[in-house]
Amino acid sequence: QVQLQESGPGLVHPSETLVLTCSVSGVSITSHYWSWIRQSPGKGLEWIGHVYHSGSTKYSPSLKGRVTISVDTSKNQFSLRLRSVNGTDTAVYYCVSSDWERNDFDYWGQGTLVAVSS
Amino acid sequence: DIQMTQSPSSLSASVGDRVTITCRASQTIHTFLNWYQQKPGKAPNLLIFGASKLHDGVSSRFSGSGSGTEFTLTISSLQPDDFSTYYCQQSYNTPRTFGQGTKVEI
Repeated sequence: QVQLQESGPGLVHPSETLVLTCSVSGVSITSHYWSWIRQSPGKGLEWIGHVYHSGSTKYSPSLKGRVTISVDTSKNQFSLRLRSVNGTDTAVYYCVSSDWERNDFDYWGQGTLVAVSS
Repeated sequence: DIQMTQSPSSLSASVGDRVTITCRASQTIHTFLNWYQQKPGKAPNLLIFGASKLHDGVSSRFSGSGSGTEFTLTISSLQPDDFSTYYCQQSYNTPRTFGQGTKVEI
């Protein structure tokens, strides 16, 4: 079955860069497209952006300029880089797959909490 | 950005109740509307896609309807496992946006 697993540091200092990687198993990374979604403590869900296996991307305007999502098809992984973080970037970050036709979020990683603090 | 507004924000219900949650979009999204269930400390799970299509393995007591700007999620007979937070989400365009959530409590 499709499984996604986030990895990366749980603590990032203000003004630094948050880097997370999502490892995909059970399906080829070419079969879906891939998103990052975050959820601040006690809050709702915020889409960060997505990447296609070609490397083409779409980002949330609210984060554009700070975010880069990339894909490594040889490793069946995709990654998130968020620059110049501050306390408002503290959240649980999820990596998620989307079906090409349905455009929903069908498979989710378990999520990883990233705290921004000095 | 397309704004998604859910109502109510929370509701109290009992096992066996019929529950309806409404989601409104700030512009037409046709049927590009998905529903998710989230339990505390867990990732959301897809329930319904395309406004009314049940995702694999989801109980038939969940149903969705609507098109354009107004949508509903109905739970026909609430079960103990259904006490969760529910989110709608539009996939008509980017940025993808979610409703603020509806918490279903006892």
